[in-house]
Amino acid sequence: EIVLTQAPEFQSVTPKEKVTITCRASQSIGTSLHWYQQKPDQSPKLLIKYASQSISGVPSRFSGSGSGTDFTLTINSLEAEDAATYYCHQSNSLPRTFGQGTKVEIK
Amino acid sequence: QVQLQQWGAGLLKPSETLSLTCAVYGGSFSGYYWNWIRQSPGKGLEWIGEINHSGSTYYNPSLKSRVTISVDKSRNQFSLKLSSVTAADTAVYYCAREGTAPGTRWFDPWGQGTRVTVSS
Repeated sequence: EIVLTQAPEFQSVTPKEKVTITCRASQSIGTSLHWYQQKPDQSPKLLIKYASQSISGVPSRFSGSGSGTDFTLTINSLEAEDAATYYCHQSNSLPRTFGQGTKVEIK
Repeated sequence: QVQLQQWGAGLLKPSETLSLTCAVYGGSFSGYYWNWIRQSPGKGLEWIGEINHSGSTYYNPSLKSRVTISVDKSRNQFSLKLSSVTAADTAVYYCAREGTAPGTRWFDPWGQGTRVTVSS
């Protein structure tokens, strides 16, 4: 089973700041890494697919990068509506696994 | 636009069987994997298993002995059964769609979630 480790687990950020969340895989997964945003009492929502591919309807301030074992989600110029928990997920192999999540709070 | 709507019992006693169903509206049922995922405070997001329209399944080894996922193609629905539940199975359960073709293997969309509590 591929273990995904996210860092940090919690981040308190001022609006307009840049946010960087990392996700490290326990073995190489190419670019089979996706990012989700989950707001309280909502289902997760797909943000980025295959490490860096944008999703229609997702604001352009969200971007992703990485390959192999190290991946990054970047939120440029954080907005209040971005307060949420962010998860990475790998689809390289079964069983599918997720990172433990990074909670982003707005100061 | 595809929507997933799920339902099932929200309160169970230990040793009972959890049963949830997810209906697919507004899109094709074939050509996808249909997944169950759960979220608990202690374990975060945990993938339970998947099924395709033909009924081929794959389960998370950690739950395999207790999980059954089935499909009803005539109704565009798929279901989850988890037997012998304990308090550790208390979680919000989600259904989600995953593509089958290379380059489409992400979860989207997701159902609205069903909160399941196991308590005596």
